Amino acid sequence: GESVGLHLPTLSVQEGDNSIINCAYSNSASDYFIWYKQESGKGPQFIIDIRSNMDKRQGQRVTVLLNKTVKHLSLQIAATQPGDSAVYFCAENARGSYIPTFGRGTSLIVHP
Amino acid sequence: NAGVTQTPKFQVLKTGQSMTLQCAQDMNHNSMYWYRQDPGMGLRLIYYSASEGTTDKGEVPNGYNVSRLNKREFSLRLESAAPSQTSVYFCASGQALMGYTFGSGTRLTVV
Repeated sequence: GESVGLHLPTLSVQEGDNSIINCAYSNSASDYFIWYKQESGKGPQFIIDIRSNMDKRQGQRVTVLLNKTVKHLSLQIAATQPGDSAVYFCAENARGSYIPTFGRGTSLIVHP
Repeated sequence: NAGVTQTPKFQVLKTGQSMTLQCAQDMNHNSMYWYRQDPGMGLRLIYYSASEGTTDKGEVPNGYNVSRLNKREFSLRLESAAPSQTSVYFCASGQALMGYTFGSGTRLTVV
């Protein structure tokens, strides 16, 4: 079936490094993608989204890249900080669907 | 801005007991969702409501019921709790192409 998945379950980086979290999706009908951050004991928090008519979108210290050719999504975090330590989920919405599909998550660990 | 508010935050139930998890959003979103999150399983959709007056089953609806009381409120009921329902429950609301906002979760233990 269609699914959203993540390449790396855990990513460890040093404070100040740039982090890249990857996500593969298989539903060619997906036209909206979202990244979420979930800190321990909290609910998922919206970080950034991108529509399928875009290849790149930037926020504050974060950039999302979308490669529709290979069905790949990535989240780049610049100058990673200890406060960025969390689980990051990607999610996708198929065109016309009310239901987002979530990946399992990647745990980002930032070492001071 | 409150966003999505869930109550209670923690609950312990005995097997067979019933309870209702409450959720309210103040963002005027049409769609609302209930998820459960278990270690290693990610977020699994229990029920959703695409708009006021409608509800539909998600991936894991067995043992649960929902009520979309009005546009703001979407409750999840466990009629006869089982240990397999021990989980963290999240309510979310959203609008097309505008992302989804999650509550802070309810940590439920069934003994």
